[in-house]
Amino acid sequence: DTGVSQDPRHKITKRGQNVTFRCDPISEHNRLYWYRQTLGQGPEFLTYFQNEAQLEKSRLLSDRFSAERPKGSFSTLEIQRTEQGDSAMYLCASSLVTGQNEKLFFGSGTQLSVL
Amino acid sequence: QKEVEQDPGPLSVPEGAIVSLNCTYSNSAFQYFMWYRQYSRKGPELLMYTYSSGNKEDGRFTAQVDKSSKYISLFIRDSQPSDSATYLCAMPSMDTGRRALTFGSGTRLQVQP
Repeated sequence: DTGVSQDPRHKITKRGQNVTFRCDPISEHNRLYWYRQTLGQGPEFLTYFQNEAQLEKSRLLSDRFSAERPKGSFSTLEIQRTEQGDSAMYLCASSLVTGQNEKLFFGSGTQLSVL
Repeated sequence: QKEVEQDPGPLSVPEGAIVSLNCTYSNSAFQYFMWYRQYSRKGPELLMYTYSSGNKEDGRFTAQVDKSSKYISLFIRDSQPSDSATYLCAMPSMDTGRRALTFGSGTRLQVQP
């Protein structure tokens, strides 16, 4: 399977715990994005990487959230001290930018439930 | 006002019907537009993208952009039960210098056999 892979698919945690998600992008893609999606809404941008550099963060990304992409390959998204409002689907997407064209390919997401 | 507005539906049609899905947007600087399809418990998958006003056709799907009205549409001909999904319009967000996408809230489509 050469698509974007996310792990785990589901995560249930108690409020206050830390969680970490992993994303493996399509291998030749240089950009990697994290989005969050709640029920009945479209995905909302959180952050993105160009290779290993984190170039942009959304205002949605509080200081409890941190993302890394070591060596420009896989990425991790960590949420510290989880809150019930963090419950959502966390989507990773990757893209290969050529000129003006950019097509995002999404993984199946990690569904987080904070109890 | 949201940057992108989309009727959430649900929209229920019989198999074989022509489906029209629509979005409006507020920022006239948007240059290209995308439609994604999202099945339940899956990530969105890119269906179509278009840069300019007018129509773009791909099989049973036609994307239409009217920049003067800030209105985009996706038409599905001969709809099939397998088309049942949520359809999301998306365009580059001006807040992030066009690097991230702003999505509509999605329209849920059900095609009845």
